[in-house]
Amino acid sequence: SQELEQSPQSLIVQEGKNLTINCTSSKTLYGLYWYKQKYGEGLIFLMMLQKGGEEKSHEKITAKLDEKKQQSSLHITASQPSHAGIYLCGADILGPAGGADGLTFGKGTHLIIQP
Amino acid sequence: NAGVMQNPRHLVRRRGQEARLRCSPMKGHSHVYWYRQLPEEGLKFMVYLQKENIIDESGMPKERFSAEFPKEGPSILRIQQVVRGDSAAYFCASSPTGVDQPQHFGDGTRLSIL
Repeated sequence: SQELEQSPQSLIVQEGKNLTINCTSSKTLYGLYWYKQKYGEGLIFLMMLQKGGEEKSHEKITAKLDEKKQQSSLHITASQPSHAGIYLCGADILGPAGGADGLTFGKGTHLIIQP
Repeated sequence: NAGVMQNPRHLVRRRGQEARLRCSPMKGHSHVYWYRQLPEEGLKFMVYLQKENIIDESGMPKERFSAEFPKEGPSILRIQQVVRGDSAAYFCASSPTGVDQPQHFGDGTRLSIL
């Protein structure tokens, strides 16, 4: 089973509308990272969350990590064509005792913005 | 300030040949990570290296795959005797330290096996 579940798998949103993407783990998330990937390109770092209840914003994108540190959401306000792409959540699910810092990723959410 | 540089961007190999993928981390970053992305499987961690040391290779296939990060020069991911199933996008990421720092990714190398 997938250790990080992202939902929805794909999302079509009309330009100007708000949207939310979720990332859920059955294990405690010691660090949660949101990335954006355009087709055929690399990952662009968006935000990092570490503390339960933490919330960060950058331009029109807000990400939260819940108190139990097992779920994160990414919210885009007033979506624009430039927001289109694949959104990936990556996490350290092993923590300080894990001994490694390779991230576990969800399968991604494909976001399409309709003009 | 250049980002993570990977080359080549595209690599085509025939079955049985060797593939060498290169990664130069961001300036000031001494930690390098390799990931593989397959269409239906998502991004999977392969190996984590610091200069001259492999820290964690738990995601590396046991055979044919190796990685190094020498004192001088880029990190290299080497795949010997490639097979069709090795076709994928391989991404390199780097961070300044291995703890609580975001990893910054390169644009990847798309490996195609004929």
